[in-house]
Amino acid sequence: DAGITQSPRHKVTETGTPVTLRCHQTENHRYMYWYRQDPGHGLRLIHYSYGVKDTDKGEVSDGYSVSRSKTEDFLLTLESATSSQTSVYFCAIGSSGGNEQFFGPGTRLTVL
Amino acid sequence: AQSVTQLGSHVSVSEGALVLLRCNYSSSVPPYLFWYVQYPNQGLQLLLKYTSAATLVKGINGFEAEFKKSETSFHLTKPSAHMSDAAEYFCAVSGDSSASKIIFGSGTRLSIRP
Repeated sequence: DAGITQSPRHKVTETGTPVTLRCHQTENHRYMYWYRQDPGHGLRLIHYSYGVKDTDKGEVSDGYSVSRSKTEDFLLTLESATSSQTSVYFCAIGSSGGNEQFFGPGTRLTVL
Repeated sequence: AQSVTQLGSHVSVSEGALVLLRCNYSSSVPPYLFWYVQYPNQGLQLLLKYTSAATLVKGINGFEAEFKKSETSFHLTKPSAHMSDAAEYFCAVSGDSSASKIIFGSGTRLSIRP
């Protein structure tokens, strides 16, 4: 398995609180991605990064921000969590943007 | 621009029967195509990928997919379903390795009847 870890694996929080999810890789891949997975919607791209401090928005970026200060870490922040952000969040990595991605185990986030 | 459509959000087959999961793509350039599998409570795992070499691609767990340019399809098949194949399957497309991201379909849940 590709060396990708996500933390925390489960989190329950309240509406309005900030939340940060961490993705850590040991593969030295250039590209990193954050997705959310919801029933009936498949995987939707939130943000992605193509290098340290280089990030771009995906299709569902509103309410989320990201940071990548090191190759190995990609952080996803919900500045003020809402119930609509209850979801399973997956991190993925890739050596090139258009080639295959390798996925982490996911973080299940519940916003009450 | 690339897009992918998976026909059928849920497919159910009997154990030992043929598995056929359908995927059609749209791409303005020769595509890279992927199939991923997701078992319950796990992340996605690459099953196979097409990158313009052989049109018939063999993957893990006995799955294979055939790239048909004339039909813009990349259907996933397995001759004989096993109970352990029950999972969700995602088709995905990208323009080429220089693209910044790949586009995923909405997924097909495969159920296996004993």
